[in-house]
Amino acid sequence: AQSVSQHNHHVILSEAASLELGCNYSYGGTVNLFWYVQYPGQHLQLLLKYFSGDPLVKGIKGFEAEFIKSKFSFNLRKPSVQWSDTAEYFCAVNTLDNYGQNFVFGPGTRLSVLP
Amino acid sequence: GAGVSQSPSNKVTEKGKDVELRCDPISGHTALYWYRQSLGQGLEFLIYFQGNSAPDKSGLPSDRFSAERTGGSVSTLTIQRTQQEDSAVYLCASSLVGGGGGTDTQYFGPGTRLTVL
Repeated sequence: AQSVSQHNHHVILSEAASLELGCNYSYGGTVNLFWYVQYPGQHLQLLLKYFSGDPLVKGIKGFEAEFIKSKFSFNLRKPSVQWSDTAEYFCAVNTLDNYGQNFVFGPGTRLSVLP
Repeated sequence: GAGVSQSPSNKVTEKGKDVELRCDPISGHTALYWYRQSLGQGLEFLIYFQGNSAPDKSGLPSDRFSAERTGGSVSTLTIQRTQQEDSAVYLCASSLVGGGGGTDTQYFGPGTRLTVL
């Protein structure tokens, strides 16, 4: 079965620090990859997604992620975080099998940005 | 509607009671998903609907949990004889196409916070 792991449970950074959140998945076939964000008190929303093409994808609010197929990874990055980036970040993998779509989410990484 | 809506937003119930949680997906979305998010945990997949049928029920934690979707739109998640470990936020999401290619983006509702006393 597919699985998604996220390297860090809780990351604490100061404003302007660079961010990289790790995400690895286990599935040998074609995958579609997503990062979702959940700001405090809000519901999950899409940050960025990768389906095909350029493995470096850019999302909203200055976030980007790089798909490295050989490493089964889809790490999220931002060069300079802001206090407003404090949120929970979820990596997700979508695959297609005989039953249709199969979305698997990682356990999430909580990001706290100190002002 | 403009987004996925869920009702109620909060539900407090006593152990042993049945509860029904409702999800209204984005109009025209054929795929609908239910997840559970427990305190400090990630998202746990429960069930997925493609139209009115549920090709994947593997995530339902026990036979106390069931879900249905009628008219290809509204879905109801029912938990019978609730237990304290059922306390969680239940999230619903919908996507446009569903089974076609796995490229769908899911749009999430605000969730229903269930507390079982």
